[in-house]
Amino acid sequence: GAGVSQSPSNKVTEKGKDVELRCDPISGHTALYWYRQRLGQGLEFLIYFQGNSAPDKSGLPSDRFSAERTGESVSTLTIQRTQQEDSAVYLCASAVEGLSGELFFGEGSRLTVL
Amino acid sequence: AQTVTQSQPEMSVQEAETVTLSCTYDTSESDYYLFWYKQPPSRQMILVIRQEAYKQQNATENRFSVNFQKAAKSFSLKISDSQLGDAAMYFCAYRSFNAGKSTFGDGTTLTVKP
Repeated sequence: GAGVSQSPSNKVTEKGKDVELRCDPISGHTALYWYRQRLGQGLEFLIYFQGNSAPDKSGLPSDRFSAERTGESVSTLTIQRTQQEDSAVYLCASAVEGLSGELFFGEGSRLTVL
Repeated sequence: AQTVTQSQPEMSVQEAETVTLSCTYDTSESDYYLFWYKQPPSRQMILVIRQEAYKQQNATENRFSVNFQKAAKSFSLKISDSQLGDAAMYFCAYRSFNAGKSTFGDGTTLTVKP
């Protein structure tokens, strides 16, 4: 596609519910990243995919968080049993591995846990 | 692990004036990339400028330029002839040359006064 697409753009959920956030990277981009951004703060790394493999998942804050990528394309970030501290904007970015390393970001999914 | 520090949470500049945003980083690697990204209030992050560590010449993109001091591990961004559209949050980022995640600073919010 023309850019990185994320859905939903906004999600309000109740504490304890599961949520799925989707990322559609730019076609041909082999690398895909998930970051979390709390209000007014910096980007917190969650997980990195190279193809369908995740060589670095060191940023996932707990076992409630998981992510997968299929077909070297779409990725889904799943948060189980959501907590209020999970409220944030979840940003997805893609890149062409082996080049300059520039990240192309989506507009993010804003998650609010009540 | 690499760390990126932006010591100025907020900066302001008068329209048409020049402003410099600071960034320092810590790494034991010799080859890497440094980036400045801009995040306007609409939320989507875009690349402003990129510097390869092996290049001694400072990168320049129109009104944006960097002062890259490799020995001091400093990477500042200079915005000349500031415009109202430059108002945004600016993030400094580090990426290893051999792929993997990008590490971001906490950001600097830039206000441009008319």
